[in-house]
Amino acid sequence: GIQVEQSPPDLILQEGANSTLRCNFSDSVNNLQWFHQNPWGQLINLFYIPSGTKQNGRLSATTVATERYSLLYISSSQTTDSGVYFCAVNSGNTPLVFGKGTRLSVIA
Amino acid sequence: EPEVTQTPSHQVTQMGQEVILRCVPISNHLYFYWYRQILGQKVEFLVSFYNNEISEKSEIFDDQFSVERPDGSNFTLKIRSTKLEDSAMYFCASSRTGVTEAFFGQGTRLTVV
Repeated sequence: GIQVEQSPPDLILQEGANSTLRCNFSDSVNNLQWFHQNPWGQLINLFYIPSGTKQNGRLSATTVATERYSLLYISSSQTTDSGVYFCAVNSGNTPLVFGKGTRLSVIA
Repeated sequence: EPEVTQTPSHQVTQMGQEVILRCVPISNHLYFYWYRQILGQKVEFLVSFYNNEISEKSEIFDDQFSVERPDGSNFTLKIRSTKLEDSAMYFCASSRTGVTEAFFGQGTRLTVV
């Protein structure tokens, strides 16, 4: 099945800093989603981005499907951005496969 | 905005007991899923459900697990005889098709003691 690798596994930022999270996947995909898991454990949809670039406020994402990677950019980080960021992919009608996540800690 | 809702949010059960986790998917969605996340680990697929039957299941989804769509709105996961290692966060998700965006419920935290 598809393998998903996320980097870095852990990231500590000073409030206001920018960061880039990476997701590599092993095969072509029809769907790629980024999630933020908050401290209460909820999975919050950030982006549905099988290809191209999207922006939502301070967050943006780019997927280069032909090179099998996606990037999540966080600008001007805030303490509320802390949590775990997951990338998940699928192809065809298969279920989403999640990476192990990037744990982000933003320090005031 | 439509959302996937799960109940209960927390459940504590004794080893060997049966539990039923409930989910109400988004109303016009056709694909339903259960995932599990053991504390500190990644989110793992359990089972997918389409057209009133299981379409795919993982090796985690053994005979102690079952799913049901008892009516037009609910989607349930039953664990027949819980074990300590079933303690985890269980997420329900739904999507309109098999390749469109999936939306997740807030999760049920199951603790087996």
